[in-house]
Amino acid sequence: AQSVTQLGSHVSVSEGALVLLRCNYSSSVPPYLFWYVQYPNQGLQLLLKYTTGATLVKGINGFEAEFKKSETSFHLTKPSAHMSDAAEYFCAVTWGLYGGSQGNLIFGKGTKLSVKP
Amino acid sequence: GAGVSQSPSNKVTEKGKDVELRCDPISGHTALYWYRQSLGQGLEFLIYFQGNSAPDKSGLPSDRFSAERTGGSVSTLTIQRTQQEDSAVYLCASSPVRGAGGNTIYFGEGSWLTVV
Repeated sequence: AQSVTQLGSHVSVSEGALVLLRCNYSSSVPPYLFWYVQYPNQGLQLLLKYTTGATLVKGINGFEAEFKKSETSFHLTKPSAHMSDAAEYFCAVTWGLYGGSQGNLIFGKGTKLSVKP
Repeated sequence: GAGVSQSPSNKVTEKGKDVELRCDPISGHTALYWYRQSLGQGLEFLIYFQGNSAPDKSGLPSDRFSAERTGGSVSTLTIQRTQQEDSAVYLCASSPVRGAGGNTIYFGEGSWLTVV
């Protein structure tokens, strides 16, 4: 079955440090890939997405992610963490109408990011 | 409206009662999704609507759950005879087209359901 794995349910970094949140998917068919962020008591907000073209994708708030087909990965990074980045981050994939899936988003279990002063 | 609107934002109900959760998608979006977010369980797909096609109900956890979408716009998720394990955040989302081409799926703020 197609799945998404986020390594680490909790990640803690110091303010100014590199943020790296890992996401891997299982499929032989390249998917469309998304990262969403959820701040406390709020809904999900799209950070960035990969559909086609350049494999390095830049999103909002200084985040970026790189699609690596050979590694079936789409890790999220930010060079310098801010206190305001503390939230839960979800990786999601969909294979649209042509990838054998039903086009629904399949989510990872989420990674809660804490930022220490 | 500007975004996906859900109501109520919070609902506390007694075990065994029925509840209805409402979703108003972004104007013009033909695809509508319901997801459930439980503590420690991540996001779970429940049901999907696309235009006039039959809904994809493959994610509904039991026959106590049902949903409808009237006029291709507003959707209602109904949970009958609620159980404590139904306590969760129910998220509605919409997109212009079902998943194809990686269209962005936009989420509402969610309806927080607590069954006591």
